[in-house]
This record gives sequence, C-alpha cells and structure tokens, in this order.
Amino acid sequence: NAGVTQTPKFRVLKTGQSMTLLCAQDMNHEYMYWYRQDPGMGLRLIHYSVGEGTTAKGEVPDGYNVSRLKKQNFLLGLESAAPSQTSVYFCASRGPWDEKLFFGSGTQLSVL
Amino acid sequence: KQEVTQIPAALSVPEGENLVLNCSFTDSAIYNLQWFRQDPGKGLTSLLLIQSSQREQTSGRLNASLDKSSGRSTLYIAASQPGDSATYLCAVRRLARETSGSRLTFGEGTQLTVNP
Repeated sequence: NAGVTQTPKFRVLKTGQSMTLLCAQDMNHEYMYWYRQDPGMGLRLIHYSVGEGTTAKGEVPDGYNVSRLKKQNFLLGLESAAPSQTSVYFCASRGPWDEKLFFGSGTQLSVL
Repeated sequence: KQEVTQIPAALSVPEGENLVLNCSFTDSAIYNLQWFRQDPGKGLTSLLLIQSSQREQTSGRLNASLDKSSGRSTLYIAASQPGDSATYLCAVRRLARETSGSRLTFGEGTQLTVNP
C-alpha cells in the first residue's frame, strides 16, 4: 500500500528552467493538495483539487500551474523556475468524508 | 487572517517524562484542529483530529485537547520515548466546505527531542 508517492525526491534547476512534479495516490481520494514548506513560513498551500478535472488556487499560486487529468495523479508545474521557488514541496490527499490528510515524503527543489 | 503559533520551537526532555506541546490560534471560528508529526526528510503524518464540537481526542499515549474560546490546543505525550523525537505541527481549518478560504493554516511546529 504505497499511499501518496512523489517524484522526484530531489532536483536542482537553473533559473528559467521548467519542470513537473508528480504526485500519485492509490487511496481513491477526491481531494489533492500541493504545499511548500519553508523555514519561518511553515506549510503554505499552492494549489488544490477537489476532483478529477478540477483545480483551484491556494495561498501562494503564482509561478505554478497544476493539472488533475486522472483522479489518482496531481501534477505541479514550474514554467520558469526562480530562486524564490527553492523549497520542499509536499503533496497530500484525503477522502471527501475524512479530514485526515495523507502526505507524500516531499520533493526538495533547489533553483540556482 | 488566521495565525497559528507553537511555543516552544524546540523542546528536549529525558525519556519517560510526560510533556505538553502548545498550539494557539487567533481566530476561534474553526471547523477542526489537527496535530501532525514530521520526521526529518519525511512528510507529515496525521496524529489526532479534533472537531470544533469536541474537547479532546486520544490515541495511545497521545491526548489532544481543544479550547476554542481561548484559541488553544495542547498535545499531551505520556511516558515519552526516543522514538517520539520529531517535529509536531498543529493545523486549523476554518470552514467545512473545501474552498480556498477553508485551507489548513499550519503552525511552524515544535521540534521534540527525547533523550535516552
């Protein structure tokens, strides 16, 4: 039972490069989320989805795009990476009737 | 805007000690509060969730309480063990319906070290 799987685990980008982070969950959860965690800022919501084909902005969406083409996958894209996007990124999911969040193990991203 | 504060930022205790972690929030109009554990290099694991109508929740050696009117929650850990060493975060949700306004607001966590 894998739960929430994030790939890659580590990545180094140069300013201006693009990349996609993949989140996959095998719990048939409706809701999926992308967070970033920064020292002194805590966890902040980037984007979220309440079901396949839907996405919505969170607290800090600028510079990111997301897609939820399949229920089990939630992709986070950086079109033109900036040093301010250096962070640890977490994906999370939950069912519609359960408030308990399940998190992936994170992606450490450095933008030089 | 909801703000969640956890004090202290770090705590070191000897094995076997009972301890309390604190979480305070500025807006008492919450839907629920959740406590998480985060191990180094790992994601968060949900420990306990308290609905706004509840006063406490228990799981094994963990007990979480909620006082909405005062904007406070505590996580009590009984008979601490070295394996309890981790960062503990609390998070509050404002609304039941999933909207951007109902997002979880996290505290920065308390880093707990339990020494053998």
